[in-house]
Amino acid sequence: GAGVSQSPSNKVTEKGKDVELRCDPISGHTALYWYRQSLGQGLEFLIYFQGNSAPDKSGLPSDRFSAERTGGSVSTLTIQRTQQEDSAVYLCASSLGQSNTGELFFGEGSRLTVL
Amino acid sequence: DQQVKQNSPSLSVQEGRISILNCDYTNSMFDYFLWYKKYPAEGPTFLISISSIKDKNEDGRFTVFLNKSAKHLSLHIVPSQPGDSAVYFCAAFIRSGKSTFGDGTTLTVKP
Repeated sequence: GAGVSQSPSNKVTEKGKDVELRCDPISGHTALYWYRQSLGQGLEFLIYFQGNSAPDKSGLPSDRFSAERTGGSVSTLTIQRTQQEDSAVYLCASSLGQSNTGELFFGEGSRLTVL
Repeated sequence: DQQVKQNSPSLSVQEGRISILNCDYTNSMFDYFLWYKKYPAEGPTFLISISSIKDKNEDGRFTVFLNKSAKHLSLHIVPSQPGDSAVYFCAAFIRSGKSTFGDGTTLTVKP
């Protein structure tokens, strides 16, 4: 498809387990973002990739969270030793990067539930 | 330091009337301001944007106004329709950096 694709759409896991969430951005988009939205909250910035630059990890809430972007395309967000407070919808977005108006294209999100 | 703020978590208006959603920012270096709309169980979708060198941009029923001196922008929806009921996020973008979002305002348009 032409849009941002995220998988899985839903993930239920037990506390303490590791999870991986995947994002496939729009082809040609150099910028990729991860946000999360907890119940009743706004969009919380997690991490930002722009081309080959070092990622902006300033939003990652703890060292249990990490993300990588392989080959400038697909990104994986990994949460180790999940906690109940990690339950949220994790949203990925991509954009054309620095030479544009900033419009982000979002995926439909991965809903994570930690029991 | 929250650089983009939406101080009203919710807004309720009658169908056919005007909806005005507000957003304040602190960083004068933002290049663009954008509004996104989000329905439940979906990702946000782009609605309308405005360059920092403009003061108004209009697209159909949606108009965004930018007041740089006050570091304030607003989204006007006229006339409001029940299908406009959603969460609206204000965002600001610096070309050399990333997008920053507000916490969102839930708009409910009553038939």
